[in-house]
Amino acid sequence: DAKTTQPPSMDCAEGRAANLPCNHSTISGNEYVYWYRQIHSQGPQYIIHGLKNNETNEMASLIITEDRKSSTLILPHATLRDTAVYYCIVRPTFQGAQKLVFGQGTRLTINP
Amino acid sequence: DTAVSQTPKYLVTQMGNDKSIKCEQNLGHDTMYWYKQDSKKFLKIMFSYNNKELIINETVPNRFSPKSPDKAHLNLHINSLELGDSAVYFCASSSLAGGETQYFGPGTRLLVL
Repeated sequence: DAKTTQPPSMDCAEGRAANLPCNHSTISGNEYVYWYRQIHSQGPQYIIHGLKNNETNEMASLIITEDRKSSTLILPHATLRDTAVYYCIVRPTFQGAQKLVFGQGTRLTINP
Repeated sequence: DTAVSQTPKYLVTQMGNDKSIKCEQNLGHDTMYWYKQDSKKFLKIMFSYNNKELIINETVPNRFSPKSPDKAHLNLHINSLELGDSAVYFCASSSLAGGETQYFGPGTRLLVL
């Protein structure tokens, strides 16, 4: 079972920031928070991950609360191509092959 | 350049047939995975290989047999196909140097009639 909880769907206007929440209240100290997205009919695409600190890359920003029990993925200027299912996943930090446990994710729709 | 590629993209076959799906990665990764996404869109891991050695083997019927001829390839052979095997199968790869972040292929859509 997934260790994360996400809203099933969200809408956002094109050009605005999309903020996707994720609850992971049972996360342990040696688990990352990972975000992937799946655009219709495509393979899951890696977006970003973090452990304790906030992270930013060319795709998005990840804000993790101080207690690490929740996080928010921010797409700063959403475009129509950002319409996808977004998955928040917790994954152990130890080395070696890891299975990603996908939940239902959040279906984000960007509206023109 | 395609990082993780799968062939075929679509596969339609009859019940009882045997089929193979191939996966190749050119990222230099040493770990590869197979995931299955069923009609309800749940993605679940099936297998993982590291340097041609089976590392993860979830509860998957024996009809499914992964084969890794080398680090860059992980094939999935399915015997005696059943209707319930219809799904999208995704290959992924990762490396220790990359923090084991997994990168996925485009998927193979299998339809068993």
